Amino acid sequence: NAGVTQTPKFQVLKTGQSMTLQCAQDMNHNSMYWYRQDPGMGLRLIYYSASEGTTDKGEVPNGYNVSRLNKREFSLRLESAAPSQTSVYFCASRVYGTGFNYGYTFGSGTRLTVV
Amino acid sequence: SQELEQSPQSLIVQEGKNLTINCTSSKTLYGLYWYKQKYGEGLIFLMMLQKGGEEKSHEKITAKLDEKKQQSSLHITASQPSHAGIYLCGADPGSRLTFGEGTQLTVNP
Repeated sequence: NAGVTQTPKFQVLKTGQSMTLQCAQDMNHNSMYWYRQDPGMGLRLIYYSASEGTTDKGEVPNGYNVSRLNKREFSLRLESAAPSQTSVYFCASRVYGTGFNYGYTFGSGTRLTVV
Repeated sequence: SQELEQSPQSLIVQEGKNLTINCTSSKTLYGLYWYKQKYGEGLIFLMMLQKGGEEKSHEKITAKLDEKKQQSSLHITASQPSHAGIYLCGADPGSRLTFGEGTQLTVNP
């Protein structure tokens, strides 16, 4: 099925370890986004990529890096994981335009625990 | 930055009851998204409102945008257990979608 695919679905890291969260979309969307969701705080934007070759910081970029590898793929890297990065991470994509059908499409999330 | 405040934060209703969730923006709303999330799952796009006074419906869910009040409301008619979940409103000035904190809806059979 077309959509946004995130891997892995679950991950446990030790403090100081690094890892990369992968995201791919097959809808030919221009823009891609990484969010984190914490209890009582809704979703907060970490980084986004308006188009292939560009990336920009969101609300909470500290401790993260991103790579827009090509139009399909947008990865999020934690260089040195900290317990404060325990969260559920969502990737999203969007095609540029206006109208009812131009909503953002979300992946099913990666549940990350840092111990 | 644009801030979105949702009310109530949580809501428990009996099956068959109607309910309303509100989303108020700190700045002018040029467009407003509504999403639903079931626990442990991703976000499902419900609808997007683009113009002041616009109203859209999908099955038993109706959303309205009041541009003057910088507010949107989501109304569910004759609620069912399948409506349970977290409802999130979002706005995207500058193509950066930001969200309210969400409203947790429980529907008791």
